[in-house]
Amino acid sequence: DAGITQSPRHKVTETGTPVTLRCHQTENHRYMYWYRQDPGHGLRLIHYSYGVKDTDKGEVSDGYSVSRSKTEDFLLTLESATSSQTSVYFCAIRTGTGELFFGEGSRLTVL
Amino acid sequence: AQSVTQPDIHITVSEGASLELRCNYSYGATPYLFWYVQSPGQGLQLLLKYFSGDTLVQGIKGFEAEFKRSQSSFNLRKPSVHWSDAAEYFCAVGAPGGSNYKLTFGKGTLLTVNP
Repeated sequence: DAGITQSPRHKVTETGTPVTLRCHQTENHRYMYWYRQDPGHGLRLIHYSYGVKDTDKGEVSDGYSVSRSKTEDFLLTLESATSSQTSVYFCAIRTGTGELFFGEGSRLTVL
Repeated sequence: AQSVTQPDIHITVSEGASLELRCNYSYGATPYLFWYVQSPGQGLQLLLKYFSGDTLVQGIKGFEAEFKRSQSSFNLRKPSVHWSDAAEYFCAVGAPGGSNYKLTFGKGTLLTVNP
């Protein structure tokens, strides 16, 4: 199984503060993704990466930025968190057989 | 752009009954298709996938799905549901090839299983 670690797993923060979520993988997969999950919306893609320093926007990228300076780490940053960004965030990697393998999620609450 | 519709937000079945969850996709060619399951408070687990070939695919936990190009559908089925199947199910579509590979998910179907 692909090894994905998300940190932190839970975070409570206040409106206007910066937040960074980290996704770490152990198997050198090229593609990495950040999704958010909200009731009634399923999973929506925020940003994805197809290599070191190669990233692109997903369908809900406003208010988020990402960085990938090395293969194993994909960081998601909320520059100034808002209450609408309260969500569960999932990182995923694309496996060699084409499906996405997901981390356990990071629950973010913005007060 | 690719998209997925799961028409049923919530389905309730009795244990032992058969199950079919519907999924319709929009994509110009033959897509990659997936079904994932999510138990409460957990991450997503892949049930099965379709890339090409035989249109009836078998997955884990006794699930199967059938790709029907004419109907743009990829419905998930199970002949006899167990109480442990209660979860949320997501259909997803991906576009083969290129550096912009990504999956688009439906909004999910919540399955309740009555004893």
